[in-house]
Amino acid sequence: EAGVTQFPSHSVIEKGQTVTLRCDPISGHDNLYWYRRVMGKEIKFLLHFVKESKQDESGMPNNRFLAERTGGTYSTLKVQPAELEDSGVYFCASSQDPGGGEQYFGPGTRLTVT
Amino acid sequence: AQSVAQPEDQVNVAEGNPLTVKCTYSVSGNPYLFWYVQYPNRGLQFLLKYITGDNLVKGSYGFEAEFNKSQTSFHLKKPSALVSDSALYFCAVRDWGTGFQKLVFGTGTRLLVSP
Repeated sequence: EAGVTQFPSHSVIEKGQTVTLRCDPISGHDNLYWYRRVMGKEIKFLLHFVKESKQDESGMPNNRFLAERTGGTYSTLKVQPAELEDSGVYFCASSQDPGGGEQYFGPGTRLTVT
Repeated sequence: AQSVAQPEDQVNVAEGNPLTVKCTYSVSGNPYLFWYVQYPNRGLQFLLKYITGDNLVKGSYGFEAEFNKSQTSFHLKKPSALVSDSALYFCAVRDWGTGFQKLVFGTGTRLLVSP
């Protein structure tokens, strides 16, 4: 069974540019999550999809971030325009069990905004 | 709101010795607790979880964790450390707030096992 995949693994962009991150969850997992870890700090929740619907987007920092999950399969996270403080590692996770089940994480996308 | 604390940025232990990585939590209601590990250039890997039942939870790679309700702790342990255990370890708790399913993570503890 393939795990959660993310693309790209690294992205370096200039302030003001746009970047789109992609996440492919484990097949059959309806729940998809985005998290972010800023250098040296805790991993913070961004948002949660159930199929194509946003269940919880309370962690999205501002309206420069836009997440989509068209068709309930893969998801994209767009940052437009990027700011320096957006640098960090963006993790995607998926799960099947909405209750006490664990979330399976992808390798992350390291975003550097210069 | 739920939170977890990992008081140690780094833990150093010699190979073959027991290891402990500390985690304390603050929740309203019953805690769902998790440990994840991140190896270099890899994603987070699930190690173990506590939902209900026995306070001693066994997980992957020989790790175990002890849930202590009175001390609100969920320390990760291993009887005999391996060099290959060197990695970044995260404790997490399920947030029962509006999101229901989101995980709240600690800041992580780097474990270094020396030969």
